[in-house]
Amino acid sequence: AQTVTQSQPEMSVQEAETVTLSCTYDTSESNYYLFWYKQPPSRQMILVIRQEAYKQQNATENRFSVNFQKAAKSFSLKISDSQLGDTAMYFCAFKPNDSGAQKLVFGQGTRLTINP
Amino acid sequence: DAMVIQNPRYQVTQFGKPVTLSCSQTLNHNVMYWYQQKSSQAPKLLFHYYDKDFNNEADTPDNFQSRRPNTSFCFLDIRSPGLGDAAMYLCATSRVTSGYSNEQFFGPGTRLTVL
Repeated sequence: AQTVTQSQPEMSVQEAETVTLSCTYDTSESNYYLFWYKQPPSRQMILVIRQEAYKQQNATENRFSVNFQKAAKSFSLKISDSQLGDTAMYFCAFKPNDSGAQKLVFGQGTRLTINP
Repeated sequence: DAMVIQNPRYQVTQFGKPVTLSCSQTLNHNVMYWYQQKSSQAPKLLFHYYDKDFNNEADTPDNFQSRRPNTSFCFLDIRSPGLGDAAMYLCATSRVTSGYSNEQFFGPGTRLTVL
């Protein structure tokens, strides 16, 4: 069974700082997807960034980038120039590359607070 | 804008009184999901519909059922809500084609309170 672990329940940084959220996972699959989802307080969950395991290049979306280490089964999220609007719960999620298996496996989440 | 809509956003019910939560989507996605999320926890998948095929998670209580009358709509029925069923219920959708699965798009959720 796949598992996803986020070892940082809470983090807090000052506005404009860079912050890295960690995520590790366990799987025997060779091809899969990894996601970071953001859930702001009282707002809906949105996708921040995704990574396909077969791609060696780390995904980047503006201020958000990942450090994907397939051998180490690590998938950390870096937020550069953090903004107050980045305050949210962040969930790392795993999905096997199998069109018949639709289950996202979520980590426990990291509550990130950006302080002014 | 294409989106996932959930109604109502807040639902209060009484212990044991059946309740239905609704979800609709304008994305024309073929898969729809229902998650339960309790405070400060990760979403827990209850079940999903892949087109018309219903897929129940093994640990989803029988108290929870779902209906998908067409592509756009999906309902979550809680037959006899208990205090432990108070939670945020998230609907999500995704498009799955042969050999490729897109990310899930989430609705804003319905917060269920059981009195």
